[in-house]
Amino acid sequence: DGGITQSPKYLFRKEGQNVTLSCEQNLNHDAMYWYRQDPGQGLRLIYYSQIVNDFQKGDIAEGYSVSREKKESFPLTVTSAQKNPTAFYLCASSQTSGSYGELFFGEGSRLTVL
Amino acid sequence: DAKTTQPPSMDCAEGRAANLPCNHSTISGNEYVYWYRQIHSQGPQYIIHGLKNNETNEMASLIITEDRKSSTLILPHATLRDTAVYYCIVRVFREYGNKLVFGAGTILRVKS
Repeated sequence: DGGITQSPKYLFRKEGQNVTLSCEQNLNHDAMYWYRQDPGQGLRLIYYSQIVNDFQKGDIAEGYSVSREKKESFPLTVTSAQKNPTAFYLCASSQTSGSYGELFFGEGSRLTVL
Repeated sequence: DAKTTQPPSMDCAEGRAANLPCNHSTISGNEYVYWYRQIHSQGPQYIIHGLKNNETNEMASLIITEDRKSSTLILPHATLRDTAVYYCIVRVFREYGNKLVFGAGTILRVKS
């Protein structure tokens, strides 16, 4: 089945450690996105990529990094510079041309800093 | 992209229609209205979108006022599985830069 796969589903990290969240899609979508969600709040955009080897900062990019070396993959690294990394992280993808750009989301990765 | 205003929460009886309002008074002529929903601890799911005309699909109906300053998402026969956070978003569709900005949404509780 086509879709978006995020891993791991749950992740624990010690303070000062970097951690990388995986996002893979087999929908052949050009665009991919990373959102962060805190309890009781909406989603905030971290980074997005419209095409391979290109990405842009979203509203809360500080302390995060991404890469887009392959169309189907858009990993997110949460660095030690991120002051409050405990959150629910959601990856999404969308088609660009020929559609109205609705987003398809993965099931999310829940990061807890101990 | 225009900002939206939604009530923080609503209740609905199972089997009845759920009508979720959204205000977007600063919407511009080329901005679409999108609705997504998020069941607890899952990724959001696309429901429906529209520009001017009312829209219907297998999940819901979208009613947009003539001046486009507000809209209503209608779930015709709500079930317990429809309990979720519903997000109303307005944005321009671009070839690139299709980022969606999510607000806090409306928590819909369907009760038996």
